[in-house]
Amino acid sequence: DTAVSQTPKYLVTQMGNDKSIKCEQNLGHDTMYWYKQDSKKFLKIMFSYNNKELIINETVPNRFSPKSPDKAHLNLHINSLELGDSAVYFCASSPGRAIDTQYFGPGTRLTVL
Amino acid sequence: GQQVMQIPQYQHVQEGEDFTTYCNSSTTLSNIQWYKQRPGGHPVFLIQLVKSGEVKKQKRLTFQFGEAKKNSSLHITATQTTDVGTYFCAHQRHSGGGADGLTFGKGTHLIIQP
Repeated sequence: DTAVSQTPKYLVTQMGNDKSIKCEQNLGHDTMYWYKQDSKKFLKIMFSYNNKELIINETVPNRFSPKSPDKAHLNLHINSLELGDSAVYFCASSPGRAIDTQYFGPGTRLTVL
Repeated sequence: GQQVMQIPQYQHVQEGEDFTTYCNSSTTLSNIQWYKQRPGGHPVFLIQLVKSGEVKKQKRLTFQFGEAKKNSSLHITATQTTDVGTYFCAHQRHSGGGADGLTFGKGTHLIIQP
């Protein structure tokens, strides 16, 4: 069974469209995250959710809106997609302790044309 | 936030040679984590270091945390083709209650020539 799963795996879309990426974890973890990995492989935290509450929002444009219907799910909705949004988006989860191992999903490769 | 600088960016080695990647910070870090990402894959947790001067080993991998807790290294002895990938150091900020996100170094891409 996959611990952290994401859908879709690939997403190709036109500029200006709105799209969503879904994430689910079956580890019983309290905290979930979204990371963006750019073409140079640099990984950057975008959002962190702890028990459905947003913890951090790292200077991400407000076109990006995370939503957590319950602590096992964290979705990412992106409005008005831009070329620079092309990247791999990773969902991750952790138990929620002060210092935590994070478990990453397989990633969603988003290409904006 | 606390930045972690990682070098080298790329490392080409012959299979069987050793490999080391270094992570440095200008400020004291409460913890360092190391992750490995295979080509086309996702980051996978390797180890966590929290104590000054800590050294941990996993088979051919040796992880160190500096005495001042400002630097860390990962050393692989006698590389194998399965070691190919990008190795990231990361620091986890924490604000009392829960876990915050990881601040990653830029990663070291290990390329192994058979």
